Formats: sequence, structure tokens, C-alpha cells
Amino acid sequence: AAGVIQSPRHLIKEKRETATLKCYPIPRHDTVYWYQQGPGQDPQFLISFYEKMQSDKGSIPDRFSAQQFSDYHSELNMSSLELGDSALYFCASSLFGAGGPYMYQETQYFGPGTRLLVL
Amino acid sequence: EDQVTQSPEALRLQEGESSSLNCSYTVSGLRGLFWYRQDPGKGPEFLFTLYSAGEEKEKERLKATLTKKESFLHITAPKPEDSATYLCAVADTGRRALTFGSGTRLQVQP
Repeated sequence: AAGVIQSPRHLIKEKRETATLKCYPIPRHDTVYWYQQGPGQDPQFLISFYEKMQSDKGSIPDRFSAQQFSDYHSELNMSSLELGDSALYFCASSLFGAGGPYMYQETQYFGPGTRLLVL
Repeated sequence: EDQVTQSPEALRLQEGESSSLNCSYTVSGLRGLFWYRQDPGKGPEFLFTLYSAGEEKEKERLKATLTKKESFLHITAPKPEDSATYLCAVADTGRRALTFGSGTRLQVQP
């Protein structure tokens, strides 16, 4: 079965540079989530999009922005990179309502991640 | 604020030695509790979704259960290939984002 695709898989940047991470959700999924996982830490939610509109916002720095395009792929843009931005960045996708009744959250499926190293 | 606490932080088992991992949670209204497996440097791999207290799900050597305050992941007769970090996550009312626990690092020795 098709999975979430992320590119690039590895990225090395200098401080103050910019980076763009891409996410291609599972076909027919309408929601994309971005998570950041620092070394030895659990994934932290950054931002999500449903039907191309921002649906939820977590601990995303103002230096970061994201959007979801008409083909449902999403891009996370990171500017003025700092050493502390070095982490694994995961994208997850889901199909709204797939969990059944509205009160149930549908399952999120994660991509392989982009490892960002800021030097 | 949502809180998810997993215990133990690390667990070392001998092959065939069954055990349980714990996930305690605090939410306003549970919209789902999720178990994932994560290998080093890879994305979380979905295992189970639980919605209601009393619910149980099983897959091969793994069984997940849910109460109103915690969830357990039971591992029966584990094999070395079960070695990984097991993450628990919850979705709360009004949010579709997941809040993760810090995980349990499981090592199964042959």
C-alpha cells in the first residue's frame, strides 16, 4: 500500500539559511500534520492542514511556515535556521472521518521523516 | 493540558519473556489513543487505535487495552525483532493533533 512520502530524506544547512521540506500524503488523504522530533525526544506537533486550510497549530516557531497545495501535498518552509532546529521532521496524513463517529480521531500515518542538520 | 506518561522508560526482556508497557493519560475528552512502534531514525509505525474504555485490539504478539485513565501494551513471548521504541499518543477534544508520551525503549535479547 502507498505510504506517506517525504523529501528530501536528509538535509544539511548552515545557520541562518532556509530549508523547504516536502510531504506527499497517502492518496485520498485530506489532512497533513507536521511533527518535530529532537534527539531522544518524542514527536512534537507543529501544524496541520485540512483541505488546504490550516486546521491546528502547535509549537511552530514564527520562522517556520507551511501550506497545503491543491494536490494535497504540503511544504514546510523554515527560515533563519538555528542549531536547535536540527531534528527529525515527520509528516503524517489521515482521512478526516475515517475513525467513524465525529468524536473519534482517525489514525495518522507517518512518513519516514526528513533528518535536518543545521551546522 | 494533555499529558501522556509512559512507563517504564526502558525495558530489557529475554526472548519469550512476556511483559506489559503502560501509558497513563490526562485529557479533557479522549478522541482516541494510539500506539506506534518506532525504530531508530525512522517514522512511527502505526500499531493500534483505541477509542473506548474496555476496548482491546490484538496483532500477532501484541495486545492493547484501554481504561479511562491508562492503556497497556502487552507483549507475549517477544522476539528480538520486537526491539524498538513504543510510543503512546492521544487525541483530545477539539484537536486532531496527537500528544505523544516519551516512549518505552524495548530491547529483547535472544
